[in-house]
Amino acid sequence: DVKVTQSSRYLVKRTGEKVFLECVQDMDHENMFWYRQDPGLGLRLIYFSYDVKMKEKGDIPEGYSVSREKKERFSLILESASTNQTSMYLCASSFVQGRNEQYFGPGTRLTVT
Amino acid sequence: AQSVAQPEDQVNVAEGNPLTVKCTYSVSGNPYLFWYVQYPNRGLQFLLKYITGDNLVKGSYGFEAEFNKSQTSFHLKKPSALVSDSALYFCAVRPQDSNYQLIWGAGTKLIIKP
Repeated sequence: DVKVTQSSRYLVKRTGEKVFLECVQDMDHENMFWYRQDPGLGLRLIYFSYDVKMKEKGDIPEGYSVSREKKERFSLILESASTNQTSMYLCASSFVQGRNEQYFGPGTRLTVT
Repeated sequence: AQSVAQPEDQVNVAEGNPLTVKCTYSVSGNPYLFWYVQYPNRGLQFLLKYITGDNLVKGSYGFEAEFNKSQTSFHLKKPSALVSDSALYFCAVRPQDSNYQLIWGAGTKLIIKP
């Protein structure tokens, strides 16, 4: 079974703090993704990566950065957390061909106070 | 602009009755189509996909989906609903010329009443 794990299920941070969210997949997938999920808005892509050290901006990259130093690990960084970044963050991975589905981690619910 | 619509925010069905969760899309070409399910406080799980071929696709947990090219729809169906099917369902569409881009619907909350 494909497994995508995220470092935390719940996280509470203060405004201005630097926040790291980590994601690890065990299926040798080339693609990895970070989404945020907000009620009524579906999933919005923050960043994705198609290879080690390669990244592309998604629909809402402002206020976020990412790092992919190893194929299995993809990190999302909030340089200076703000209250409008309170959300559910979902990591996903997939093989590179377009017909392949994405596999998701359990999510991290981040609250910024 | 390319888009995916799930016209119902919530669908209520009695246990044992058939269920349908609707999805329509506006994407050029012949896209790949996906359904995902999210149980409370969990990540998304893949249910099924349409790539090519037979318009009726079967997936996990007894779900199926019907692709209709002329109506650009990909409705999710199940002949007999279970209380455990209560969850949030997402439709997603990938243009064929993209290896990563998924256009997501806003989600439909399915409530199955005993």
